[in-house]
Amino acid sequence: AQTVTQSQPEMSVQEAETVTLSCTYDTSENNYYLFWYKQPPSRQMILVIRQEAYKQQNATENRFSVNFQKAAKSFSLKISDSQLGDTAMYFCASMDSNYQLIWGAGTKLIIKP
Amino acid sequence: DVKVTQSSRYLVKRTGEKVFLECVQDMDHENMFWYRQDPGLGLRLIYFSYDVKMKEKGDIPEGYSVSREKKERFSLILESASTNQTSMYLCASSLYMTGGPPTDTQYFGPGTRLTVL
Repeated sequence: AQTVTQSQPEMSVQEAETVTLSCTYDTSENNYYLFWYKQPPSRQMILVIRQEAYKQQNATENRFSVNFQKAAKSFSLKISDSQLGDTAMYFCASMDSNYQLIWGAGTKLIIKP
Repeated sequence: DVKVTQSSRYLVKRTGEKVFLECVQDMDHENMFWYRQDPGLGLRLIYFSYDVKMKEKGDIPEGYSVSREKKERFSLILESASTNQTSMYLCASSLYMTGGPPTDTQYFGPGTRLTVL
């Protein structure tokens, strides 16, 4: 079965700093999809960024970018110029061969003023 | 904007009660999902549906059932609630891509925090 591991249960950084959240996954698929979702306190889960494994270029969405290393099965999320509104739980997920999302345990990110 | 709503934000039930959690989406999405979220475990898929009256088991279906009579509505049913079903329940929907994998974004509801006493 596929697994997704987020090794950092909690992180905190100062506002405006850059922070990287780590994620590793295990899959036997050749083509697959990876996602980062964000769940702010008491608010709905939303998609931050996604990566298709066959694309070598790392996905970027404004201040959010990923470092996708296929051979190492690593999919880290970098948040540049962090803002107070980035405080949230961040979940990494991969899509398995049945097109279901396999989720990591989450990283609680706190941005300090 | 896609909107996914859930019938209750907070719910307290007693052991043995039958519990209904309802989810409605307004974007004509084909796919709908029920997850359970517990600290340290991430999200775990309970059931999902790719079409009306269609349902598939996820990773932890035991103790749960679902109903999808209309495209926009997906209900989760706890036939006889137990204390180990105390959790946050999240509903999500996504657009089905004909002929391709359903890799489209999943849109989530606000969640229902269920406590079973």
